[in-house]
Amino acid sequence: AQSVTQPDIHITVSEGASLELRCNYSYGATPYLFWYVQSPGQGLQLLLKYFSGDTLVQGIKGFEAEFKRSQSSFNLRKPSVHWSDAAEYFCAVGVRNTGNQFYFGTGTSLTVIP
Amino acid sequence: DTGVSQDPRHKITKRGQNVTFRCDPISEHNRLYWYRQTLGQGPEFLTYFQNEAQLEKSRLLSDRFSAERPKGSFSTLEIQRTEQGDSAMYLCASSGQFFGPGTRLTVL
Repeated sequence: AQSVTQPDIHITVSEGASLELRCNYSYGATPYLFWYVQSPGQGLQLLLKYFSGDTLVQGIKGFEAEFKRSQSSFNLRKPSVHWSDAAEYFCAVGVRNTGNQFYFGTGTSLTVIP
Repeated sequence: DTGVSQDPRHKITKRGQNVTFRCDPISEHNRLYWYRQTLGQGPEFLTYFQNEAQLEKSRLLSDRFSAERPKGSFSTLEIQRTEQGDSAMYLCASSGQFFGPGTRLTVL
């Protein structure tokens, strides 16, 4: 069965510091991979996605993610965090052969301290 | 703004009442998905449509839940005889990856 693991429930970083949010997935083939950000009470905003090709993916707001097949990982990174990045971040796997439904991780809550 | 709209944004109801939510996807997208998100969790798949056909339903979708997508445009999700456990955010996604703002349901 497909699953997504985000090992870090909560992360605190200082503004201007670098950020890495971890995501591991379990799936028998190469999945579609996504990162979303969600502010309190809001819907999900797509940060970036990986379908195929270059394993380093650039997204909006200065985020990037790297797909590592050998580690079944798709970690999200940002070189310098801004206070406005504080939010909940979700990694998702899209399953190609079942209508592309998504499986989400439980999320990582990011706090940014000044 | 992803171009996906949901109505209402918030719904408070009493246990046992019926509620209906609406989703308007991006017009040229033929796939539409419903997810449920409870507090502290990621969204969980409920069902999806290809045009007007409902092609897959999760086991989370009990008999009290029904979804429709007449004419392959907007979709509705109805919950009958609501229970407190139905309290959640209900999210609609157009073409899988573009999510609406959600409908927050509170069952008292």
